[in-house]
Amino acid sequence: NAGVTQTPKFQVLKTGQSMTLQCAQDMNHEYMSWYRQDPGMGLRLIHYSVGAGITDQGEVPNGYNVSRSTTEDFPLRLLSAAPSQTSVYFCASSYSREKLFFGSGTQLSVL
Amino acid sequence: SQQGEEDPQALSIQEGENATMNCSYKTSINNLQWYRQNSGRGLVHLILIRSNEREKHSGRLRVTLDTSKKSSSLLITASRAADTASYFCATDADSSASKIIFGSGTRLSIRP
Repeated sequence: NAGVTQTPKFQVLKTGQSMTLQCAQDMNHEYMSWYRQDPGMGLRLIHYSVGAGITDQGEVPNGYNVSRSTTEDFPLRLLSAAPSQTSVYFCASSYSREKLFFGSGTQLSVL
Repeated sequence: SQQGEEDPQALSIQEGENATMNCSYKTSINNLQWYRQNSGRGLVHLILIRSNEREKHSGRLRVTLDTSKKSSSLLITASRAADTASYFCATDADSSASKIIFGSGTRLSIRP
């Protein structure tokens, strides 16, 4: 099992550009979520999904869109990147929400 | 604001000593989890304690939960250099237990 795979690992964007952060898991987990982690800070929940076709907002959803068309994939879209979105993004999945499995993260810089 | 707040923000101890970090949260919970994050890596689940439990052990880890004070503590006994990491508590912040909210973390450094 690969676990939770995030791509890309690093990305630099210009203000106003759009991009999609990819997240895939091969553990057949229904629950998936996206977090952002700013330097020296904890994780803040952006969006989450309890199953295919179901998504909901977390603590900091503004500026981000998600969709969940399959159990395996949960992409995070930045429609118009802003410098305030410079952060490390983590995707996580879980069978029961009692143990999250994390990807290795995507380091995003918006200039 | 975040659901959980860890205390202290940073902790430096000698190898072999015990490390204790605390987490306070704001709302009622079903369970509380602790995670470890090594520098530049994703988080790894350590232990979960349910709201009807007061104490739980796993190897060198001991977790306590006081729901009346909305607080939890993580004790790492006989610390090792490999325990150097950031530690976060996480709680299910809504009744459906779908929002898993993390605290701000404690950075633990173990001195050889």
